[in-house]
Amino acid sequence: KQEVTQIPAALSVPEGENLVLNCSFTDSAIYNLQWFRQDPGKGLTSLLLIQSSQREQTSGRLNASLDKSSGRSTLYIAASQPGDSATYLCAVREAAGNKLTFGGGTRVLVKP
Amino acid sequence: ETGVTQSPTHLIKTRGQQVTLRCSSQSGHNTVSWYQQALGQGPQFIFQYYREEENGRGNFPPRFSGLQFPNYSSELNVNALELDDSALYLCASSRGTGAANYEQYFGPGTRLTVT
Repeated sequence: KQEVTQIPAALSVPEGENLVLNCSFTDSAIYNLQWFRQDPGKGLTSLLLIQSSQREQTSGRLNASLDKSSGRSTLYIAASQPGDSATYLCAVREAAGNKLTFGGGTRVLVKP
Repeated sequence: ETGVTQSPTHLIKTRGQQVTLRCSSQSGHNTVSWYQQALGQGPQFIFQYYREEENGRGNFPPRFSGLQFPNYSSELNVNALELDDSALYLCASSRGTGAANYEQYFGPGTRLTVT
């Protein structure tokens, strides 16, 4: 059974610092991995999707890497801003099956 | 291109009642997935509909059921509500179920409170 873990559960940094969010998964047989942002009480906004054949994806200040063999992904957010405060979730789609399996999320607070 | 929409936004029900939640998929998307997110946790997969047929189900009891309509909108029905059903219910749509088309786009969710 696929299990996805995100550590730490919460993170607080001063504005301007780079953020590093970690995601690990137990079964490396995945189609892709997706990073999402969730504001309190709201839905999920897709940030980046990495196919299993890719090593990384970039969008603006965001960069996500994927090491499928070790079951790890890292989301980097450069030069954090207070508007980056949110919960960040990673999810994997397994090679067999149609669902996304989510981690518990990392709650990020960027202090001005 | 319109995004995924869900209704209602909030709902309060009593234990034992039944509830129907609705989702309109993003334009051009034929696949809808439903997730339950309890407070402080990641979403859990309930089931998926592809071209009006159920296409995978998570570990949820039969009192959770769904439908997909010809326009690819979808409903989630929950019978005999329990207190633990209180959660944010998220709907996601995608262009298909193949690996290349599987980026999921989520709606704003419906917050269900069972008292």
